[in-house]
Amino acid sequence: EVQLVESGGGLVKPGGSLRLSCAASAFTFSNAWMCWVRQAPGRGLEWVGRVKTKIDGGTTDYAAPVKGRFTISRDDSKNTLYLQMNSLRTEDTGVYYCTPDPPGATPWGQGTLVTVSS
Amino acid sequence: QAVVTQEPSLTVSPGGTVTLTCGSSTGAVTSGHYPYWFQQKPGQAPRTLIFDTSNKHSWTPARFSGSLLGGKAALTLSGAQPEDEAEYYCLLSYSNTRVFGGGTKLAVL
Repeated sequence: EVQLVESGGGLVKPGGSLRLSCAASAFTFSNAWMCWVRQAPGRGLEWVGRVKTKIDGGTTDYAAPVKGRFTISRDDSKNTLYLQMNSLRTEDTGVYYCTPDPPGATPWGQGTLVTVSS
Repeated sequence: QAVVTQEPSLTVSPGGTVTLTCGSSTGAVTSGHYPYWFQQKPGQAPRTLIFDTSNKHSWTPARFSGSLLGGKAALTLSGAQPEDEAEYYCLLSYSNTRVFGGGTKLAVL
């Protein structure tokens, strides 16, 4: 069964850093563009950014609110996606999901909660 | 960054038909925006209903359909059921980003 499991969330102070991980199983991770999507409490979904496959150059794209602060990377040998978040702001609070980009047939994981608060 | 707009809320009667729309601040939505539609129920992760304008997954109920309508992407629900009460999000693709709409809260009353 295809599974995506996010981890690494927690409480961090404004200006701090956090690294999220997403472990993928039972699908060909290395062939998939992958992205992060977040959802602030009681709010809508927000596409954060993506990393393409190595074959497609392994390049990244980011949404304007996170560009320059967040970095997405992947380790195909570990079937794992990462999100390095620096200079965190209170508005970065929310549940962070990883999915293939665009999200398709793969079931979404339950996400990991990031809380940015002093 | 483009802004994607959806109706904040809609209500449909059980058995009725409703159309949710998804517009783009950059102009008309086309098949080149590869519209996606997601359903999210309280406390659950989203799930994909429609991809690439009108294609359905195996789990997508037949009563849901996707299309382009009047310069927007559209999700039509025909024969609404109580279990369709949920938040619905569209997603549009641009040259190097994707943008979600703000979501439509659909009530079945």
